[in-house]
Amino acid sequence: DTGVSQDPRHKITKRGQNVTFRCDPISEHNRLYWYRQTLGQGPEFLTYFQNEAQLEKSRLLSDRFSAERPKGSFSTLEIQRTEQGDSAMYLCASSPGTGEQPQHFGDGTRLSIL
Amino acid sequence: AQRVTQPEKLLSVFKGAPVELKCNYSYSGSPELFWYVQYSRQRLQLLLRHISRESIKGFTADLNKGETSFHLKKPFAQEEDSAMYYCALSGRGSSGDKLTFGTGTRLAVRP
Repeated sequence: DTGVSQDPRHKITKRGQNVTFRCDPISEHNRLYWYRQTLGQGPEFLTYFQNEAQLEKSRLLSDRFSAERPKGSFSTLEIQRTEQGDSAMYLCASSPGTGEQPQHFGDGTRLSIL
Repeated sequence: AQRVTQPEKLLSVFKGAPVELKCNYSYSGSPELFWYVQYSRQRLQLLLRHISRESIKGFTADLNKGETSFHLKKPFAQEEDSAMYYCALSGRGSSGDKLTFGTGTRLAVRP
C-alpha cells in the first residue's frame, strides 16, 4: 500500500475555470478528509466522509466547492468558478474510522489560479 | 471552538542542543493532541500522539491540562530533525475526529 494518493500534484488554471481533484485513500479506510493549506498556515479542515456519506462541512467550504465519495473509496473535490483566493494546497487524509486511529495524509494538490 | 497556538514560526538551534516546540490549545471538552511533522519534500506525517505516551525519534510531549499545553521536547537535537512541525487537536467523540492545526513551527538545526 502506497498510502494516500492524490492527483494531480499541481494544477494551474485561469480564474473562473472549474477544477477537480482526486484522492485515493488507504485501502479499507472508512474515513476520508479534505483540508486546505495556504502559505504560512496549518491545514484547515474542509469536509469529511464516513464511507460514502459526507458528514460534516466547514464554513470554509463555499457553495462553489463540492466533494463526493460515490462508492466509499476514492473522493473528488471540485471547485467551480475558481477565484484567486482558492490558490492553496489541498490535502486529503484517511483513517480507519475505528477506535482512535490517526489520520494519514497524501502529498496534496497544489492549485495556482492565474 | 477548537484552537491551537504555536507561538514560534521559527526555532533555530545548534546540533546537540535541547529543543522545545511550544503548543497551547483551547478546547472545552476532552481533547486528543498530536504532533505532525513535514520534512522537506515529504508529506505530512504523524510524529506522536499524547494517548500513546511514546517517544518517537527521541521526541516526547506531555499533555498538561492545567496549562492547556502539549509542548514537544527533545534533549539533543540532530540535523535530521530540521523540518516543519505542526501541533494538532481533535475533540474526542467529535464527529469525524477532524483535526485543528496550529500554524506550525519550523525547526532548523545547525551543525
